[in-house]
This record gives sequence, structure tokens and C-alpha cells, in this order.
Amino acid sequence: DAGITQSPRHKVTETGTPVTLRCHQTENHRYMYWYRQDPGHGLRLIHYSYGVKDTDKGEVSDGYSVSRSKTEDFLLTLESATSSQTSVYFCAISGSEGTGRSGNTIYFGEGSWLTVV
Amino acid sequence: AQSVTQPDIHITVSEGASLELRCNYSYGATPYLFWYVQSPGQGLQLLLKYFSGDTLVQGIKGFEAEFKRSQSSFNLRKPSVHWSDAAEYFCAVGAGRGNAGNMLTFGGGTRLMVKP
Repeated sequence: DAGITQSPRHKVTETGTPVTLRCHQTENHRYMYWYRQDPGHGLRLIHYSYGVKDTDKGEVSDGYSVSRSKTEDFLLTLESATSSQTSVYFCAISGSEGTGRSGNTIYFGEGSWLTVV
Repeated sequence: AQSVTQPDIHITVSEGASLELRCNYSYGATPYLFWYVQSPGQGLQLLLKYFSGDTLVQGIKGFEAEFKRSQSSFNLRKPSVHWSDAAEYFCAVGAGRGNAGNMLTFGGGTRLMVKP
């Protein structure tokens, strides 16, 4: 298993409160991603990082921000949680495997279940 | 932009029967294709991937997939299903964009149920 740890694994929070999810990797991989999973949608990319302090938006970035101050940690923040952000959040990592960036395999963490009430 | 379609939301097969899960993609260049499996409450595990070369790809747990460029498909197959294969299966297409490494676009998933 890829060395990816997500915390917390489960959280219930109230609408309007800030929430931060943490992803920690021990693989020293360059790329880190945050996805959300919702029924019928598969996984959709929220934000990604291509290095320390280097981040960019994905497909569904509204309402989310990220930070990466160290190679091993990638934080996802919901500034003011809404019920539509109830979801399962997955962190993923990928590195360089010699086949080019497009071919790099992405490895996933175990997920963080977030419920906004 | 790339997209992935998994036409079957649910599939039920009997244990020991063969399995084929369908995946169709849309992508303007040579695709990088992946199949992942997810058990309840777990993360996604990579089953197999296609980058180039032989269009029939072997993966873990006895799965294989065939890339057919003319049909824009990457169907997953297994000759004999085991009860432990019950899970959700995701097809994904990858595309590197600038600094993004590998950007995966996922299909909606197919939930496999196995009858004893």
C-alpha cells in the first residue's frame, strides 16, 4: 500500500463551520490531489499540487482551498461548510515512474467521510 | 476535455461466471487508461493500467482489460468471478496537463454483486 494517511477519517460538522482535512504521505511523491466521491459521479478532482506551495484548481474547486507547506502534507480546507459538501474525500499521490507524467499511476488514501448538517 | 462512461451502474453475476465491465472514453490523444476497484469503506486499488503497446493488459486478481482504439473502449474482464470480487469498479482516463502530473477523469462506476 502507498504510504498515504488521511485525517480525520470521519467527521460531522455544522453548516458554516470551517473544516480542514489532512493528507500525509511518506513516499516523497511530487504530485498530490484531492478528489471527492459522490454517487453516480465517480471521483472528481478538487485541487492538486505539483510541489511545495504549488497548487492549482481542479474540476470542482468552488468552496475549497488547499495548502502544501511541506512535500508530505496536503491540506484541504472548507472555509464555510455547506450541505452540498457532504461527501467522501480522497487524497491521492503520484510520482515519476519513467513513463512520463501522463502515465504516472495515482495511488489513493483510505478516504475521509464528511457530513455537514 | 476527456470523459469516461461506464454504461452499467449495477451488474449481478453468479459466482464462477465470466464478467465483462464496459468502459468508453473520449479523449483527443493517446489515452492512458486505468481500472480501479473499491470495496465498501475503502480507498481505490489499482487493478491494471494501459499506457502503450500490447492492447491486452493483465492486472491483479485475475483481471484483464482490452484497449480498442476503434471503439474507444477499455473493457474489464474476468473469466471466473469469485464472491470476493463484489465491489465497485471505476474506469479512468489520464492526461498530463502542464504541472498537473496525471489528471484522472473517472467514470461513474459499476457496482458488481456476486450471487452464490
